[in-house]
Amino acid sequence: EAGVAQSPRYKIIEKRQSVAFWCNPISGHATLYWYQQILGQGPKLLIQFQNNGVVDDSQLPKDRFSAERLKGVDSTLKIQPAKLEDSAVYLCASSLAGVYEQYFGPGTRLTVT
Amino acid sequence: AQKVTQAQTEISVVEKEDVTLDCVYETRDTTYYLFWYKQPPSGELVFLIRRNSFDEQNEISGRYSWNFQKSTSSFNFTITASQVVDSAVYFCALWHNNDMRFGAGTRLTVKP
Repeated sequence: EAGVAQSPRYKIIEKRQSVAFWCNPISGHATLYWYQQILGQGPKLLIQFQNNGVVDDSQLPKDRFSAERLKGVDSTLKIQPAKLEDSAVYLCASSLAGVYEQYFGPGTRLTVT
Repeated sequence: AQKVTQAQTEISVVEKEDVTLDCVYETRDTTYYLFWYKQPPSGELVFLIRRNSFDEQNEISGRYSWNFQKSTSSFNFTITASQVVDSAVYFCALWHNNDMRFGAGTRLTVKP
C-alpha cells in the first residue's frame, strides 16, 4: 500500500515570496492533517480536514497560510507571503478518522532566506 | 489546555542497555488518546502505539513496552536491549477533540 506522498521535498525561497506544498494521502483515509515542525521541536498541527471540510484550523496563521482539500483527496498548503520564521519542515499526515493513528509523509523542508 | 512534556531532551546509551523515555501529559478531559512516534534520521515519523484513556493495560511489542498510569498522567516508553537502529527522536502525543499535541521529543542515541 502506498504511503502519504508529498512534494516538493525541498524548497528555498526568499521572504515575501509565495510557496505551495502538495500532499496525497493514503487511499481511503478520510482525515488529512498539515503540521509544521520547526527544527528541534515537535510537530505543530496547523489544519485538519475530514474529507473536503475543515475540522480544525485554530493554529493556522490565516493572514498568510491557506489550505484546501478539493474532492476530499489531495491537499495543498500555501504560504503567501513567506517570512523567515516559516522555515520549517511541513508534514502531511492522514488517518482513517481523527482518533486513529496518523501516517506521515516524508515532509517538505522549507528554507526562507 | 492540553500539553505534553518530554523532560529528557537527549539520552545516550550503549547497545543492549535498557532505556526508558518519559512522557507526562496534561488534560482536563476524561476521553483522550496517547501516541508514541519515532522519527529516524530520514525524517519520516513512524507510528508506534496508540492508547485510549480507558485502557490502562501495559503493552509489550517485542523489545518495546509502554507503561500508562493515569494517576501520574504518564505514558512512558521502554526499549529493552537497545540496538543502534533504535537511534532516533521519539515523540509522545496527546489527542482530544480533534486537537493533536506533540511533546518536544527525546533524542535517543544508541552507541555500539
